[in-house]
Amino acid sequence: DAKTTQPPSMDCAEGRAANLPCNHSTISGNEYVYWYRQIHSQGPQYIIHGLKNNETNEMASLIITEDRKSSTLILPHATLRDTAVYYCIPNSRGSNYQLIWGAGTKLIIKP
Amino acid sequence: DAGITQSPRHKVTETGTPVTLRCHQTENHRYMYWYRQDPGHGLRLIHYSYGVKDTDKGEVSDGYSVSRSKTEDFLLTLESATSSQTSVYFCAIMGLAGADTQYFGPGTRLTVL
Repeated sequence: DAKTTQPPSMDCAEGRAANLPCNHSTISGNEYVYWYRQIHSQGPQYIIHGLKNNETNEMASLIITEDRKSSTLILPHATLRDTAVYYCIPNSRGSNYQLIWGAGTKLIIKP
Repeated sequence: DAGITQSPRHKVTETGTPVTLRCHQTENHRYMYWYRQDPGHGLRLIHYSYGVKDTDKGEVSDGYSVSRSKTEDFLLTLESATSSQTSVYFCAIMGLAGADTQYFGPGTRLTVL
């Protein structure tokens, strides 16, 4: 499984776009990039995933570089409720879909 | 809402006692997972199940056992609880057929004194 590097913490102003980077330079060709978040004291929540194309859903957009060595999760209009720890997780969909969780990025949205 | 419940939500117990945590799903999903989360860390996989009576170990399985006699229930047992097993335990299911995203329960906070 690929290792990831995420900044330990970030701030963003409410209403602005939050851009969360993730480095996964050792990602293999069959590994997707998954993003989850965990709001304080709650179970993690799935956000989005992608392989090599950019993806968008109602929660966020995912931009994956052409070489697939890094990605950026974009929350287009951050709200206070988006304050959470965000996890970037490469996964090959094999090994019975086990996910390996790092420490993630603590995103704080400020009013 | 993925229809996952965990019980109990909070438990305090003493070292050496057996403890069983229950994860219940209403969605008939095949895959279920048990994780633990310690302060300041990401989740670590304890055990998982890929069907009734089909289970396997995760990265931190020592001291834990699991059982799955019905699709909807996945039980995690600490045969003899230790203080190092004080943690928050999360259960997860994998999403709908064709999707492999995981959906999590609300967690169980376990304290072993």
